[in-house]
Amino acid sequence: EPEVTQTPSHQVTQMGQEVILRCVPISNHLYFYWYRQILGQKVEFLVSFYNNEISEKSEIFDDQFSVERPDGSNFTLKIRSTKLEDSAMYFCASSAWDIPEAFFGQGTRLTVV
Amino acid sequence: DAKTTQPNSMESNEEEPVHLPCNHSTISGTDYIHWYRQLPSQGPEYVIHGLTSNVNNRMASLAIAEDRKSSTLILHRATLRDAAVYYCILRDGKTSYDKVIFGPGTSLSVIP
Repeated sequence: EPEVTQTPSHQVTQMGQEVILRCVPISNHLYFYWYRQILGQKVEFLVSFYNNEISEKSEIFDDQFSVERPDGSNFTLKIRSTKLEDSAMYFCASSAWDIPEAFFGQGTRLTVV
Repeated sequence: DAKTTQPNSMESNEEEPVHLPCNHSTISGTDYIHWYRQLPSQGPEYVIHGLTSNVNNRMASLAIAEDRKSSTLILHRATLRDAAVYYCILRDGKTSYDKVIFGPGTSLSVIP
């Protein structure tokens, strides 16, 4: 069964450093999303991406965040200067135009120290 | 975004049916009712969705009230692997790529 894959599974970074979280969506999907989940809290929407541009973003997705689909298969989330409060699980998801469900990856645990 | 209300937590005995309720009194005519679940330390996964009629799939059944203001996710025989947080979500059917917005969900515990 096709799946969304995310790398790395766990990343530790120092405060102020840039991180790039990587995702490979399901190959024929057109819509891509990033979510985050702070430990013990609900899953929060960050951004959706379609046709090589952001289609919607939440208040959380400020200028520190950016997304890119650099090569037609990968979908990345960059955090320019990480803060302690960016520590969370980050989930990538993708969906197709003709099926109702979004498929989520297993997540990247980001720890900012 | 249209809002849903679920109990914070529920318990079930293994191998018994589980009925997870959801209220969505402000649902609009184009909103689909989706259910996702999140197993411990995993990403969310799709369970089932429906618009007006009851739906069945290999994972669960979805019973939708006639006025669409509430719905119930039914797990026919709970297993230990069904212990998870279950999310009832409304998604606008006008846009196939509408984002999934998660609430706090219902944390289901399954007792052996």
